[in-house]
Amino acid sequence: NAGVTQTPKFQVLKTGQSMTLQCAQDMNHNSMYWYRQDPGMGLRLIYYSASEGTTDKGEVPNGYNVSRLNKREFSLRLESAAPSQTSVYFCASSFRQFTDTQYFGPGTRLTVL
Amino acid sequence: KNEVEQSPQNLTAQEGEFITINCSYSVGISALHWLQQHPGGGIVSLFMLSSGKKKHGRLIATINIQEKHSSLHITASHPRDSAVYICAATGNQFYFGTGTSLTVIP
Repeated sequence: NAGVTQTPKFQVLKTGQSMTLQCAQDMNHNSMYWYRQDPGMGLRLIYYSASEGTTDKGEVPNGYNVSRLNKREFSLRLESAAPSQTSVYFCASSFRQFTDTQYFGPGTRLTVL
Repeated sequence: KNEVEQSPQNLTAQEGEFITINCSYSVGISALHWLQQHPGGGIVSLFMLSSGKKKHGRLIATINIQEKHSSLHITASHPRDSAVYICAATGNQFYFGTGTSLTVIP
């Protein structure tokens, strides 16, 4: 089992460019999450998907969109990147929403110039 | 105001010491999570608890629902315990603390 995988590991964008962060899990989990982590701010929830076919906004959704492509995959899209979106992005999954152990991906370090 | 507060923010200990990290929360929760993040970034879930106490090896997590407080204890600390420890409370979403950075010196 690979657990939770994320691609890419590193990315540098220019302001205004778009990109999609990919996440996949092979644990048959129902719920998936996207977080960003900034120094001094801790982890903040961007979007989550309680189950296949559903997505909901978290604490900081502005500037992002998500797609739950199937049970395994949950992608995060930046349509027009801004320097404020420079961060480390983590994907996670769990069997049940919020009340189960979460398994995290290795993270994507994104820099927007 | 942060819904989850951790203390201390930074902690340095000698190898072998008993370590306590505290977490207080202000929201109603269904579970309390402790996470570990090593330098290099990977995040691992250590415990999820909704009452009482859990133990895994040298790690012990406790929660007091009435006082809205949880503690993570590390017995006989070791340099490999050096990491950031993050508390997260879950109700209708996740509320994360900003983490406690632990350094254990040999």
